[in-house]
Amino acid sequence: AQKVTQAQTEISVVEKEDVTLDCVYETRDTTYYLFWYKQPPSGELVFLIRRNSFDEQNEISGRYSWNFQKSTSSFNFTITASQVVDSAVYFCALSDLRTGANSKLTFGKGITLSVRP
Amino acid sequence: DAGVIQSPRHEVTEMGQEVTLRCKPISGHDYLFWYRQTMMRGLELLIYFNNNVPIDDSGMPEDRFSAKMPNASFSTLKIQPSEPRDSAVYFCASSPRDRNYGYTFGSGTRLTVV
Repeated sequence: AQKVTQAQTEISVVEKEDVTLDCVYETRDTTYYLFWYKQPPSGELVFLIRRNSFDEQNEISGRYSWNFQKSTSSFNFTITASQVVDSAVYFCALSDLRTGANSKLTFGKGITLSVRP
Repeated sequence: DAGVIQSPRHEVTEMGQEVTLRCKPISGHDYLFWYRQTMMRGLELLIYFNNNVPIDDSGMPEDRFSAKMPNASFSTLKIQPSEPRDSAVYFCASSPRDRNYGYTFGSGTRLTVV
């Protein structure tokens, strides 16, 4: 069975601080995808990144970076120089490619990030 | 592209009433998903369709819930009769054939059953 654990429930930082959001996953599949979504106070779910299980290269997009480590089954998300607009709930999600199944996303519980001015 | 469009944005109804939530996926997307978000259970997949055909409805909580996709541009999620415990935000999402590209979610429907 798939499982995504986001152990941190709430994080509060001061603007310009760096913050890392942790994500640990469990799956028996060798082929899978990992995602991060952002849910701002307005409520919509915004896609941030997808990473497949064969690509362990870290990725950087502006102030956002992701660290994927299969050895520890983790896919952590770092925001550098955080801003108030980063305040949101962040979800990590996992999908597999098991035969006959589509990539149903299994979501973690989410991490509420508050960035104070 | 207008994105995934859900209606209504908010719905307040009395227990026992029928509720219908609507979704228009992104044109050309082959997959459509219905998710429910609650504080207690987080985001749960209810059902998903591939080319208008329901593939997995194992997440539908009970027979009071039903979903249809009569064509590629429209889907409904119906609750009949509604109960207070159905109060949640219901999200519709769609994705292209490259299904692991990442779903595009609608803005959600906040349902309150009183």
